[in-house]
Amino acid sequence: GAVVSQHPSWVICKSGTSVKIECRSLDFQATTMFWYRQFPKQSLMLMATSNEGSKATYEQGVEKDKFLINHASLTLSTLTVTSAHPEDSSFYICSAPGALAYNEQFFGPGTRLTVL
Amino acid sequence: KQEVTQIPAALSVPEGENLVLNCSFTDSAIYNLQWFRQDPGKGLTSLLLIQSSQREQTSGRLNASLDKSSGRSTLYIAASQPGDSATYLCAVRSGGGADGLTFGKGTHLIIQP
Repeated sequence: GAVVSQHPSWVICKSGTSVKIECRSLDFQATTMFWYRQFPKQSLMLMATSNEGSKATYEQGVEKDKFLINHASLTLSTLTVTSAHPEDSSFYICSAPGALAYNEQFFGPGTRLTVL
Repeated sequence: KQEVTQIPAALSVPEGENLVLNCSFTDSAIYNLQWFRQDPGKGLTSLLLIQSSQREQTSGRLNASLDKSSGRSTLYIAASQPGDSATYLCAVRSGGGADGLTFGKGTHLIIQP
């Protein structure tokens, strides 16, 4: 099956700093990638859809100026959490649809962000 | 707006039992439905994918059914093992293929040795 990687797997940062998370499709191209957030003991919530070559679309309630998304190539999307605060501490996970007409979603291993 | 509900929220059973996890969704106009497994602090492992035109999918001891018109799916786990202990998530993709997934809150499953 298709493989999606994320880097870093975990990060600890000070409040007010920015953190960049990378999502890569390793063996396939993805014109669209999705970013989700999961708070402790909660389910995954879609944050935004990353589109190669165009602006990302954000779900209601997600601040686009705080969560910057760049889909730099057909295999890479980045999520930058700007001016991070403790309430941004969460598990961030990306996914990409497979090559067959958006059939199966393939997920990265996730990034654990802790903001002190 | 699509909402996905999973019942039960938690389940603890002895090893060897057959069990059923339930998932319901409010908008039947789905593209597909996917069951995932999530281990503590880890990412997601895809278990089964059911297209909207299909009624069930099987993989090993797992069988997932889909009743699109009633907005329901079940995940059947046969002969449960301690290694099956995890959180099981149901997610639906609505409408066209460019949409992200809407997840349920999951069923936390513990299989007692």
